Amino acid sequence: AQSVSQHNHHVILSEAASLELGCNYSYGGTVNLFWYVQYPGQHLQLLLKYFSGDPLVKGIKGFEAEFIKSKFSFNLRKPSVQWSDTAEYFCAVNDSASGTYKYIFGTGTRLKVLA
Amino acid sequence: DAGVIQSPRHEVTEMGQEVTLRCKPISGHNSLFWYRQTMMRGLELLIYFNNNVPIDDSGMPEDRFSAKMPNASFSTLKIQPSEPRDSAVYFCASSNWDRDQPQHFGDGTRLSIL
Repeated sequence: AQSVSQHNHHVILSEAASLELGCNYSYGGTVNLFWYVQYPGQHLQLLLKYFSGDPLVKGIKGFEAEFIKSKFSFNLRKPSVQWSDTAEYFCAVNDSASGTYKYIFGTGTRLKVLA
Repeated sequence: DAGVIQSPRHEVTEMGQEVTLRCKPISGHNSLFWYRQTMMRGLELLIYFNNNVPIDDSGMPEDRFSAKMPNASFSTLKIQPSEPRDSAVYFCASSNWDRDQPQHFGDGTRLSIL
């Protein structure tokens, strides 16, 4: 079965520090990849997505992610975090060739940015 | 554009009662998803519909849970009878898969079963 692993469950950073959150998936076929963010008490919002093309994807709020097929990874990065980035971040994968529409979500990474 | 609309935002009820959660997807979206989020289990897909037809309900925890999508603009998730362990935040999401649209989430329903 497909799975998504987010290695860091909790991350604490100071403002202006650089961020990298890991995401690995288990499926070897063609995939669509997503990062969502959930601010405290809010719903999940799409940060960025990868369907095809350039493996370096830029999203909203200065986030980017790089798809490395050989490593089955889709790590999220931001060069300088802000206090307002405090949230939970979810990686998700969809098997684009299977004809199913569902995503497999990782367990999430809680990021706390200290002012 | 109006996003995915869920109601109610909060529901508190006693165990044994029937609970109905409602969702209005984004107009033009043809897929709808119900998720449950808890601290212990994270975000779980319960069921999803494509073109109003249930495609995969393998995530529905037990027969007490049921979901319907009578038309393209409305879906319900029903729990009968409810139990304290059903307490969670329930999210609805929709997408237009034919156009490679990612899932858009509603604000969720925070359900507490006493």
